[in-house]
Amino acid sequence: DAKTTQPNSMESNEEEPVHLPCNHSTISGTDYIHWYRQLPSQGPEYVIHGLTSNVNNRMASLAIAEDRKSSTLILHRATLRDAAVYYCILRGGPGGTSYGKLTFGQGTILTVHP
Amino acid sequence: DTEVTQTPKHLVMGMTNKKSLKCEQHMGHRAMYWYKQKAKKPPELMFVYSYEKLSINESVPSRFSPECPNSSLLNLHLHALQPEDSALYLCASSQVLGLIETQYFGPGTRLLVL
Repeated sequence: DAKTTQPNSMESNEEEPVHLPCNHSTISGTDYIHWYRQLPSQGPEYVIHGLTSNVNNRMASLAIAEDRKSSTLILHRATLRDAAVYYCILRGGPGGTSYGKLTFGQGTILTVHP
Repeated sequence: DTEVTQTPKHLVMGMTNKKSLKCEQHMGHRAMYWYKQKAKKPPELMFVYSYEKLSINESVPSRFSPECPNSSLLNLHLHALQPEDSALYLCASSQVLGLIETQYFGPGTRLLVL
């Protein structure tokens, strides 16, 4: 399975943008890039996903490099409620061993300061 | 309603006990998952059910026995567990087992094996 590499931790101030990077240099052409986050004492929750183009939703934006070997999750205005572990996950296409699975890496612990 | 419920929230059991964890969703999802999460580690997939049939077993020891009695319910039967099995057990569901379907997670059952 293709792997992802994320910084162990990042810090931000409230109301400021946050850019969470993810490297996935061995990504294959059919792998989707997913982001989930896990707030303290909760199960993970879906944030966003994409394949090649940049994506926006109400929670965040996902910027995908042209060669797809890296991506960045962007929280436009961090709030205290965004403090969580953020996981960048590759999900493989049909026929691959990771098809349908979420294989979590270590993730990035985001701390948001008031 | 995008809720996945899990009971009990907490469970303490001895190594000779038999207990069950329960997970329920009413979103009409046909894929359901069990994950195990040790403290300060990412979730690890254990089992996947698709249309009430076991689809993926990630080489989990037989002391963990999953069951999907209907499309809304998922159980995890526990027998002769070891202290190292103490962890947060997360249930998730998605519309189907596929490439991009969002997984919705429950809050988990925190298990302590004495």
